[in-house]
Amino acid sequence: NAGVIQTPRHKVTGKGQEATLWCEPISGHSAVFWYRQTIVQGLEFLTYFRNQAPIDDSGMPKERFSAQMPNQSHSTLKIQSTQPQDSAVYLCASSLGSQNTLYFGAGTRLSVL
Amino acid sequence: AQSVTQPDARVTVSEGASLQLRCKYSYSGTPYLFWYVQYQRQGLQLLLKYYSGDPVVQGVNGFEAEFSKSDSSFHLRKASVHWSDSAVYFCAASINTGNYKYVFGAGTRLKVIA
Repeated sequence: NAGVIQTPRHKVTGKGQEATLWCEPISGHSAVFWYRQTIVQGLEFLTYFRNQAPIDDSGMPKERFSAQMPNQSHSTLKIQSTQPQDSAVYLCASSLGSQNTLYFGAGTRLSVL
Repeated sequence: AQSVTQPDARVTVSEGASLQLRCKYSYSGTPYLFWYVQYQRQGLQLLLKYYSGDPVVQGVNGFEAEFSKSDSSFHLRKASVHWSDSAVYFCAASINTGNYKYVFGAGTRLKVIA
């Protein structure tokens, strides 16, 4: 069991460019979460999938952020027209169910120049 | 509003000393409670969790936590810390009524010195 895999580990983009972050949850886990982590805001919930279906995206900035889970083996978080304030560590987590332990990936550190 | 508060942003202890990291929650009812640890440049890892029953729960690497309903707290303890315990510790809560949203505290950065 390789755990939750996130790629890339570090991504650098220029202002206005697009960034796509990838997450491979643990096999058999039905719930996938995306969080954003910054020094100032701490851990912020972004979005949640259950059995690949989007359940709640209330934490997503509406205009430029989107997330998908096309199959049970991966989820993507896409940020269009990246801005410096998008710089953060983006964490993906999976769990067996909604109240079970969250297993986190190592995160993708996004740096927008 | 549901919230989790970790009042100490930074804690420094000497190696071998005992440790307590504080966590207070504000929820209607009794939430599921968790402690996670984040080592540098890594994701969060579960230390222990409380759902119900014995208020003292044991976790990995000698950590334990005690749930107190009267105090709305879930403090983390360790009898003797090691330098490798230096990390950021997060307390988290989730309501046990099908609500999937975990609420995380701001974290406590622990530094263990020789």
